[in-house]
Amino acid sequence: DIQMTQSPSTLSASVGDRVTITCRASQSISSWLAWYQQKPGKVPKLLIYGASSLGSGVPSRFSGSGSGTEFTLTINSLQPDDFATYYCQQYHTDGTFGQGTKLEIK
Amino acid sequence: EVQVVESGGGLVQPGGSLRLSCAASGFTFNMYWMHWVRQAPGKGLLWVSRIGPDATRTNYAASVKGRFTISRDNAENMLYLQMSSLTAEDTAVYYCARGTTSGATFFDSWGQGTLVTVSS
Repeated sequence: DIQMTQSPSTLSASVGDRVTITCRASQSISSWLAWYQQKPGKVPKLLIYGASSLGSGVPSRFSGSGSGTEFTLTINSLQPDDFATYYCQQYHTDGTFGQGTKLEIK
Repeated sequence: EVQVVESGGGLVQPGGSLRLSCAASGFTFNMYWMHWVRQAPGKGLLWVSRIGPDATRTNYAASVKGRFTISRDNAENMLYLQMSSLTAEDTAVYYCARGTTSGATFFDSWGQGTLVTVSS
């Protein structure tokens, strides 16, 4: 099974900051990676697929990069609405999620 | 508007069975892979199962293989998950999620989820 590891588990930041979340795969997954945002009590929302393609309606301050085993989600100029938990997910083989990164207000 | 709506969750005893349903609308259902994803209380997301557009291909997570069965009715735009031999570890919100037409297993539309609680 492919394991996905996100870092950090928790991230404190302020409105306007630029933040980066990292996701590592236990083996190469090419660019078969997606990122989701989930707010408390809400449904996950697709942000990025194909490691770097923006989902429908997703603001351009979100971007994804990487290939192989290391990937990043970057959020430029954090907005109040961005404080949430973020998950990466590989879809090279079935679908495995990372454990999540909680983005908190500093 | 793409919409998927789950139903069928509830309280079930350990060892019991439950069938979840998902009603889809707003898209050509028989062209898409469909999935179940679950989330235990306070925990992360776990992909559970998927089914191909014509229902001939199915896959399961190791933790549910042999106990859960995914199916679909394209005439009724319905997705199902039959769960048996349930344990406390299966307690979670179960989401129905739309995949892709290509088979790539990511999810662009999610239902609100249905809570399954396994407890005596």
